[in-house]
Amino acid sequence: QSALTQPPSASGSPGQSVTISCTGTSSDVGGYVAWYQQHPGKAPKLMIYEVTRRPSGVPDRFSGSKSGNTASLTVSGLQAEDEADYYCCSYTGSDSYVFGPGTKVTVL
Amino acid sequence: QVQLVQSGAEVKKPGASVKLSCRASGYTFSDNYIHWVRQAPGQGLEWMGLIKPSGGSTNFAQKFQGRVTMTRDTSTSTVYMEVSSLRSEDTAVYYCTRTVGSRFDLWGQGTLVTVSS
Repeated sequence: QSALTQPPSASGSPGQSVTISCTGTSSDVGGYVAWYQQHPGKAPKLMIYEVTRRPSGVPDRFSGSKSGNTASLTVSGLQAEDEADYYCCSYTGSDSYVFGPGTKVTVL
Repeated sequence: QVQLVQSGAEVKKPGASVKLSCRASGYTFSDNYIHWVRQAPGQGLEWMGLIKPSGGSTNFAQKFQGRVTMTRDTSTSTVYMEVSSLRSEDTAVYYCTRTVGSRFDLWGQGTLVTVSS
């Protein structure tokens, strides 16, 4: 059972925005939350790290934020290729990590 | 080319052990921790633990303590993970991944382990 909670699904039409939340305790959702995108049969891909930072090569349509014990990933200007599973992951200290249960994003 | 290359698929019987490998190339092996993350069919990602290639120390999620070991061979830049006392619930794709800071920035292609009698 994950210490992080995510909605099981989210959806939006092409061009719209979708926001996914990741909620935990204050120690589970600190400054080291990352988001990963996973397409079926593929390895996960890093999309956001340290809550708000975007790796090079990731479109600026992807953004991260945090308020209190909830981190969020927003995908703006949805495109068909954004349809995937998204996982939050938190470094919880002492060389330990935890993943959220994942959110399936559907582009309508 | 910076990459992690994992060993091939395995089929094991319940109670057996499996040893997976993950070979790093294209970067300095000792610079980054290597983690293992697994994904059961239709399920989410689960962090299992990590090994620090420089000294070989490890840390595991509580769920896997005592049943998982991780070792490394610095001469071949390879990390190994052995899971013992396999049960059907261990059927999953196992990924190795490295951290830069706190983020998993590079992933192996995954290894499917099937546990079936």
